[in-house]
Amino acid sequence: GAGVSQTPSNKVTEKGKYVELRCDPISGHTALYWYRQSLGQGPEFLIYFQGTGAADDSGLPNDRFFAVRPEGSVSTLKIQRTERGDSAVYLCASSLEPGLAGGREADTQYFGPGTRLTVL
Amino acid sequence: GNSVTQMEGPVTLSEEAFLTINCTYTATGYPSLFWYVQYPGEGLQLLLKATKADDKGSNKGFEATYRKETTSFHLEKGSVQVSDSAVYFCALSSYMDTGRRALTFGSGTRLQVQP
Repeated sequence: GAGVSQTPSNKVTEKGKYVELRCDPISGHTALYWYRQSLGQGPEFLIYFQGTGAADDSGLPNDRFFAVRPEGSVSTLKIQRTERGDSAVYLCASSLEPGLAGGREADTQYFGPGTRLTVL
Repeated sequence: GNSVTQMEGPVTLSEEAFLTINCTYTATGYPSLFWYVQYPGEGLQLLLKATKADDKGSNKGFEATYRKETTSFHLEKGSVQVSDSAVYFCALSSYMDTGRRALTFGSGTRLQVQP
């Protein structure tokens, strides 16, 4: 079946501009995660959605970052007033619902190919 | 807090050599453990996983055993190929109060296999 998809694959923007990154999770996965991966490092958690609500946004670095998932499927990560330090690969992952319904299988997150953001 | 430590790279091997990439972890409770692989220019792919102590995850000739007594999850392959060249990430999943599964990653180990 189809995996997690992300668009665009690459985004180049200028400092101060606004960008939107899109994630389409695996069908039936109610949990959705955003991560940021800087060069030479492992991914770092940004925000977690269970259904339509952001259940945990503790990883967002500041209020320039925001994400939505209005219908419980596709999610959009929004970055305002971009800075050069925002340059990174932004990864989206999805999984079954954590908790009793998903069991241990909900521990497994499936990642998309990522969006490489470059802020000039 | 949770943490994952894996050996620094790059690891350079000749084709058909034996591979070990060490991974140790610190976590409360009983996390699930994973190895993800990232090929050049691509996203993270799940390579294998283990959800409880003494479980062995395996895929594509790679293996790792969940060792609770040594808090380790070392990745091994008996005979590497040039196509195995990639960055390998060890990770653990733990349950947070907010309901999410927190994936904690190591810093990654780059493997370079030479013909």
